[in-house]
Amino acid sequence: DAGVTQSPTHLIKTRGQHVTLRCSPISGHKSVSWYQQVLGQGPQFIFQYYEKEERGRGNFPDRFSARQFPNYSSELNVNALLLGDSALYLCASSEYRGRRSEAFFGQGTRLTVV
Amino acid sequence: QQPVQSPQAVILREGEDAVINCSSSKALYSVHWYRQKHGEAPVFLMILLKGGEQKGHEKISASFNEKKQQSSLYLTASQLSYSGTYFCGTPHETSAGGTSYGKLTFGQGTILTVHP
Repeated sequence: DAGVTQSPTHLIKTRGQHVTLRCSPISGHKSVSWYQQVLGQGPQFIFQYYEKEERGRGNFPDRFSARQFPNYSSELNVNALLLGDSALYLCASSEYRGRRSEAFFGQGTRLTVV
Repeated sequence: QQPVQSPQAVILREGEDAVINCSSSKALYSVHWYRQKHGEAPVFLMILLKGGEQKGHEKISASFNEKKQQSSLYLTASQLSYSGTYFCGTPHETSAGGTSYGKLTFGQGTILTVHP
């Protein structure tokens, strides 16, 4: 079975530009979460979507937005990019099992803002 | 609030043991453990649930003490493949008593290096 897939794997953008990152969850998983990981730190929660509805939002500015499609894939959008947005963006999918729910991560998109 | 991991880094020789701790200032109902190798995605290791449940994965086991609000990861007879950064993650527990399992708050990580 295919795992969580993300595209693109690497991206270089200029300050002020907009970026769209994509994620396809594991087949059958209806929950997708997005995380930002800055070098040397743990992943930081950005959004969770379940059944196409936003179920959680982390402490990120409104420049960050996301959505989930009927096939449960998801997009993360970041507007007006700042140098500080440079990071590894991870997508995780889950199948609901209550407190036993495991999150499976994709390989991430490495975003560099110059 | 972010769980606190200790130590920040561990250096081992193959075959040696290590313990990584994860502590939280808030009540814990479950703890997730992940390992991330350089340039790769975090890989799920195990979930520990309220009740002191112990789980195992290869030669890696863990314990969870909800009274102390902490979890420990035990790596025995370490192998070169164990090298990486280990993260503990705690799910967001809502005030209504539910669990937002899709939102994990991760510790800062423990870097484990195993030498031949």
